[in-house]
Amino acid sequence: DIQMTQSPSSLSASVGDRVTITCRASQSIDTYLNWYQQKPGKAPNLLIYAASTLQSGVPSRFSGSGSGTEFTLSISSLQPEDSATYYCQQSYSTPWTFGQGTKVEIK
Amino acid sequence: QVQLQESGPGLVKPSETLSLTCSVSGGSISGYYWSWIRQPPGKGLEWIGYIYYRGSTTNNPSLNSRVTLSVDASKNQFSLNLNSVTAADTATYYCARGYRYSAGYYNFDYWGQGTRVTVSS
Repeated sequence: DIQMTQSPSSLSASVGDRVTITCRASQSIDTYLNWYQQKPGKAPNLLIYAASTLQSGVPSRFSGSGSGTEFTLSISSLQPEDSATYYCQQSYSTPWTFGQGTKVEIK
Repeated sequence: QVQLQESGPGLVKPSETLSLTCSVSGGSISGYYWSWIRQPPGKGLEWIGYIYYRGSTTNNPSLNSRVTLSVDASKNQFSLNLNSVTAADTATYYCARGYRYSAGYYNFDYWGQGTRVTVSS
């Protein structure tokens, strides 16, 4: 199985800050990488696919980059509604696997 | 707008079978890879498996021998059976649409709201 490791596990930032989350794969996964946002008590919501393509309807302050084994999700200007847990997920090979999540809190 | 809705018992006894159904509305079940994903309380996400609308399946080997997936295209539904459950199977279970947007590239673009299943006697 491909292991996905996110860092940090949690972070606290102020409104307007730039936030970056890193996701590392245990082997190269090209750009077969998706990012999801999950708010408490809700299902995850697709933010970015193919490592850098913004899903329709997702605010442009979200962006993704990377290929191979290292990927980043960035929020250019953190908003209060961005308080959530973020997960990366690889679709390079089954079993599809998720990172352990990064919890983003607003100071 | 595509909507998914899970249904099934919220309480299952140890050693019995967990059975859930996902009903799809607002779109066809055809052409997609329909997945089950679970999340134990306070923990991360685990992909269980998917069923293609034509009936072929791929499961997570960690659960493979206990999982059965089925689809009823006439009802726009697909189902999960997980047998021999233990307390470790207590989780929120989500159904999700797997969209193949390019060769080898898949994502989960629509999700159900999730259903909490507790395994306890």
